[in-house]
Order: sequence, then C-alpha cells, then structure tokens
Amino acid sequence: LAKTTQPISMDSYEGQEVNITCSHNNIATNDYITWYQQFPSQGPRFIIQGYKTKVTNEVASLFIPADRKSSTLSLPRVSLSDTAVYYCLVGNAGNNRKLIWGLGTSLAVNP
Amino acid sequence: DSGVTQTPKHLITATGQRVTLRCSPRSGDLSVYWYQQSLDQGLQFLIQYYNGEERAKGNILERFSAQQFPDLHSELNLSSLELGDSALYFCASSVVQGRGNEQFFGPGTRLTVL
Repeated sequence: LAKTTQPISMDSYEGQEVNITCSHNNIATNDYITWYQQFPSQGPRFIIQGYKTKVTNEVASLFIPADRKSSTLSLPRVSLSDTAVYYCLVGNAGNNRKLIWGLGTSLAVNP
Repeated sequence: DSGVTQTPKHLITATGQRVTLRCSPRSGDLSVYWYQQSLDQGLQFLIQYYNGEERAKGNILERFSAQQFPDLHSELNLSSLELGDSALYFCASSVVQGRGNEQFFGPGTRLTVL
C-alpha cells in the first residue's frame, strides 16, 4: 500500500498560485496519483488524476516527475472558496488496491 | 451534485443499537465504497463492492457489515454501537475497474451515538 506525505497545513492569499507537494516513495507501477478536495461536512470531490508528466484541467495542474516519487498539485489564482482540505492519494482502486487517505493538507486562503 | 445519494442524512441513536445506512450509486457505476470520517480525521476506507461482490476490505470492524444488492444500491449495517462510532459515513461510487481512483462521493450520513 502506497503511503503519502503532504504538509498538514498551508496559508495563501487570494489571487496567488498554490503548490501542494506530496511524496510517495513506494508508488507501484500501476498506481495513479489522485487529488481530492473536501469542504467541511461534505464528501471529497475529485480534482485531478495523473500517471506521469503533467496533467491539466479547468481547475488545477498536476506535475509528476519522471521517478513518480512525488507530485505537485498546482492551484492557479486561488480564491476564498478554495479554502479546503486537499488529499493526495496513490493507488489504483479500480484494480482493488486499497487507497490510503491521510489527513490531507488544510489550505487556508486569506483575503 | 455527484449523483450519489445517501440516506438518512442524520442519525441519532444510543449505544448498543443497530443502524442501517443506505447508498445509491451514480447511474451506471458498479463499484461502491464505504468510508468513515471521525471528527478532524482523514477518511478511513471500510469496504468496497463491485457488482454485488466484496472486492476490498479496509479497517472495517466485525460489528459492521455491508452488502450490495442486484440493483447496485448498498447498505452499511452498524451494530452494537459505541460512542466512538459517531462519525460521518460516506459512500462513493466509481465507473469501472482499472480506471484509477476517480470516485464520486455522496453527501454522507452523520451518525451520533449517545
């Protein structure tokens, strides 16, 4: 089971770019890297997923180096509504590899 | 709205009791996952079902059981409830196997054991 390590908390300001790095040294060949966002008392929401290199969608970018032992979630120009907990997951639930959810990174965006 | 529904939204009960939480996955999703989230804690994976069969087991207590029915809805049964079982219980569903980790979460059931 792949364990991840990410910062417990981060602070930012509106309009800034936020980068949250996650380390996953024992990632397996078939594992994907997935990020979720969770607001208080709500279910997590899928943000982005990647396997290698860079993935970009309408809300975020995910950078994955060649060795895949870490990844960085990049949130461009954050707003107050981006204040949430962000979880980095490594695994492949689709192939019955259980996902380990850590405590995530609590991001606070200030005015 | 993720398309995953959970009932009830809130549940208050006493220690020693038994409750059933219900989840309806998104239309077309065959996999259902159950998670427990205690106050200020990360999500704990409990169990996964795929098309009616148990596929993966996490930190699910023996007092807890789940099943997925032919219409793909799932139920999580919690028995001999203890104070420490108070938590948010989430259900999630996903499309197909082998597609990584994209799961769609329901709004959760908040269980309070008094």
